[in-house]
Amino acid sequence: DQQVKQNSPSLSVQEGRISILNCDYTNSMFDYFLWYKKYPAEGPTFLISISSIKDKNEDGRFTVFLNKSAKHLSLHIVPSQPGDSAVYFCAAREMGGFKTIFGAGTRLFVKA
Amino acid sequence: KAGVTQTPRYLIKTRGQQVTLSCSPISGHRSVSWYQQTPGQGLQFLFEYFSETQRNKGNFPGRFSGRQFSNSRSEMNVSTLELGDSALYLCASSLFVTGSGNEQYFGPGTRLTVT
Repeated sequence: DQQVKQNSPSLSVQEGRISILNCDYTNSMFDYFLWYKKYPAEGPTFLISISSIKDKNEDGRFTVFLNKSAKHLSLHIVPSQPGDSAVYFCAAREMGGFKTIFGAGTRLFVKA
Repeated sequence: KAGVTQTPRYLIKTRGQQVTLSCSPISGHRSVSWYQQTPGQGLQFLFEYFSETQRNKGNFPGRFSGRQFSNSRSEMNVSTLELGDSALYLCASSLFVTGSGNEQYFGPGTRLTVT
């Protein structure tokens, strides 16, 4: 039973355009959400996070939106750059929980 | 500050054998978590150690075990290897036990292939 779902295995975007990566979750006890980026042969690196008390968090070109009623979050990258090509993992934690639950990942291709 | 290191980076074993993977966390970090990554499944949580004690465990069979030493280094052991254990095993460290706002830093992983 996947509690965190990334339904798009891959996404292709033109350089300079917006990339939107989506994530859905089923556990209403999740109160903290994270996005990680992973390049080949490297471990995931933390990108951005959002607490359930917020609906938006922005860090440079990266913005995460949270829609609690729909149990949906998205990561927007504007403008997309070729160096953003990587696998992006959505992750979530329960209130007071100790486990981080990851989605299956979305591979982003940014074409020059 | 050096990042999380994992050894070995690549490993090939045969079914039925056992394997031990090692993880050295970032200096000062006391929590180490282990994850299994397979295609289409994302990162599956194995277990987390803090101050030499297992604090949390995922839904993996007892063939998967781990331990943490007093210097926070951690090892993961898989006994009686099966073909389905072929995966990238990732280790992540954090200052304290995983929780909101306490970010994890991942190592590059150990690629295990079981033949």
